[in-house]
Amino acid sequence: AQSVTQPDIHITVSEGASLELRCNYSYGATPYLFWYVQSPGQGLQLLLKYFSGDTLVQGIKGFEAEFKRSQSSFNLRKPSVHWSDAAEYFCAVGGSGGYNKLIFGAGTRLAVHP
Amino acid sequence: DTAVSQTPKYLVTQMGNDKSIKCEQNLGHDTMYWYKQDSKKFLKIMFSYNNKELIINETVPNRFSPKSPDKAHLNLHINSLELGDSAVYFCASSLDRGGGYTFGSGTRLTVV
Repeated sequence: AQSVTQPDIHITVSEGASLELRCNYSYGATPYLFWYVQSPGQGLQLLLKYFSGDTLVQGIKGFEAEFKRSQSSFNLRKPSVHWSDAAEYFCAVGGSGGYNKLIFGAGTRLAVHP
Repeated sequence: DTAVSQTPKYLVTQMGNDKSIKCEQNLGHDTMYWYKQDSKKFLKIMFSYNNKELIINETVPNRFSPKSPDKAHLNLHINSLELGDSAVYFCASSLDRGGGYTFGSGTRLTVV
């Protein structure tokens, strides 16, 4: 079955500290992988995506993610967190063709201490 | 220029009423979606349309009926609203080749 697991429901980091949000997926075919961010009361904004090629993907706002097929993981990282990064982060997996639905993880809520 | 716009942003209504949510995208995308986000922030797909054709219909009560008059619009009509329908409903769109979704800002539905 297709699924996405985000093991950490809530993470708190200090401003300026590094960040890693974990994501594990289960998908029967070649996955397309995504990270989205949702600020309070807002919609979801795409941070980055992986389709193929280089397994280290750069996104917006200084985020990057690394695809590790052997571990079925797609962890999100940022070297130095800013207070404005406080939000809910969602990992998602979809198929390589069109029309495929995205399956989302339960989300990780990030809090940033000054 | 809002890429995916939903109206209304907030909707408060009584049980048993019928309501509609509208969605429009100006990105030229071929596929549109409705997702439901529950109180625990979990996102689950409800429907998907491609060029006005229904292609994904998850296990959703038949009180929910999507309609796509053209590929830029996808509306959601809900009959006989129940308390459990309270959630945030997101519209999204994508290109056929699966380039990731662009989401609307959501409609917060509260059934009282």
